[in-house]
Amino acid sequence: AQSVAQPEDQVNVAEGNPLTVKCTYSVSGNPYLFWYVQYPNRGLQFLLKYITGDNLVKGSYGFEAEFNKSQTSFHLKKPSALVSDSALYFCAAGSSNTGKLIFGQGTTLQVKP
Amino acid sequence: EAQVTQNPRYLITVTGKKLTVTCSQNMNHEYMSWYRQDPGLGLRQIYYSMNVEVTDKGDVPEGYKVSRKEKRNFPLILESPSPNQTSLYFCASSQSLVGTLPGEQYFGPGTRLTVT
Repeated sequence: AQSVAQPEDQVNVAEGNPLTVKCTYSVSGNPYLFWYVQYPNRGLQFLLKYITGDNLVKGSYGFEAEFNKSQTSFHLKKPSALVSDSALYFCAAGSSNTGKLIFGQGTTLQVKP
Repeated sequence: EAQVTQNPRYLITVTGKKLTVTCSQNMNHEYMSWYRQDPGLGLRQIYYSMNVEVTDKGDVPEGYKVSRKEKRNFPLILESPSPNQTSLYFCASSQSLVGTLPGEQYFGPGTRLTVT
């Protein structure tokens, strides 16, 4: 069965420091991976996706994610966090043989000034 | 403006009273999907549709129905709502990316449903 795990409920970082939000996945076939962000009282917004190619994917708002096939991970990163990055982040995974998409439980990112 | 709209945004209802939450997109997307969001459980996919008249179950389809008669609309139907369906519901749409897989999804604003 497909699954996505975000092992941290909350990540706290100081503004200006690098941040990492972790995600591991289990899918059959080739994985297709996504990150979405949900700001308070708002819908979800797409950040970035990995389909194929370069393992380092760049997305919106300065975020990037690294695909690691051997560790089945797709961690979200940003070199320098902003207070405005504080939000709920979701990792999602699918595979090409199904239209189903599995989301992780979400990780709350708190960036303190 | 490209968008996904949902109605109603808030709904309080009683057990057993049939309801429909509408979803419409104006981007000519093939793929549409419904999710529910519950604290600690993240987003769970209820149903998805890869095109008109093509729908399939997500992870938590029990108690829900959908239809896709037109490309732009994808209503979610609760025939006999129960309190465990109290949740925040999101509709989303996207172009199909690879095979049946959705690409970047655009989400609606959400519908907060309370079933008493």
